[in-house]
Amino acid sequence: DIQMTQSPSSLSASVGDRVTITCRASQIISSYLNWYQQKPGKGPKLLIYTTSSLQSGVPSRFSGSGSGTDFTLTISSLQPEDFATYYCQQSYSTPLTFGQGTKLEIK
Amino acid sequence: QVQLVESGGGVVQPGGSLRLSCAASGFTFSGYDMHWVRQAPGKGLEWVAFIRYDANNEYYADSVKGRFTISRDNSKSTLYLQMNSLRAEDTAVYYCAKDRGYSGTYYYFDYWGQGTLVTVSS
Repeated sequence: DIQMTQSPSSLSASVGDRVTITCRASQIISSYLNWYQQKPGKGPKLLIYTTSSLQSGVPSRFSGSGSGTDFTLTISSLQPEDFATYYCQQSYSTPLTFGQGTKLEIK
Repeated sequence: QVQLVESGGGVVQPGGSLRLSCAASGFTFSGYDMHWVRQAPGKGLEWVAFIRYDANNEYYADSVKGRFTISRDNSKSTLYLQMNSLRAEDTAVYYCAKDRGYSGTYYYFDYWGQGTLVTVSS
């Protein structure tokens, strides 16, 4: 199975900050990496697919990059509604696996 | 708009069974692969099972293989998860999720339901 490791596990930031979350795969997954946002009590929401493609309706302050085993999600200017938990997920092979999550909190 | 509404969760004793349903609307259900994903209380996401749009292929996580069965009724736009021999570690919110691909699998999820809680406890 492909292990996905996110860092940091939690992050405190302020509105307007630029933040970056990283995700590392235990083997090469090409560009098959996706990012989700989850708010308490809700199902996750797709933000970025195949490393850098922005899902329809997602604000352009979200962006993704990387390849191979190392990937990043960047939020260019944090907004109040962005405080949530973020997960990466590999779609290279089954079993599909997720990172452990990064909780983004208000400083 | 796409809607996925799960139901069927509840409290069940270890060794018991439960069937979850997911009613889909707002898209051509019969053209899309579907998945179940779960989340234990306070924990991360775990993919559980996949079914192809025509029900001709299924995959399962090792943790549920042989105990859970995914199925679908395209005439009713409904996805199912039959869960047998339930264990305490199966306690989680179960989400159904739509695969982004149409008549082809992308293995990521563009829409999720709100989830249904399954609690396995004596």
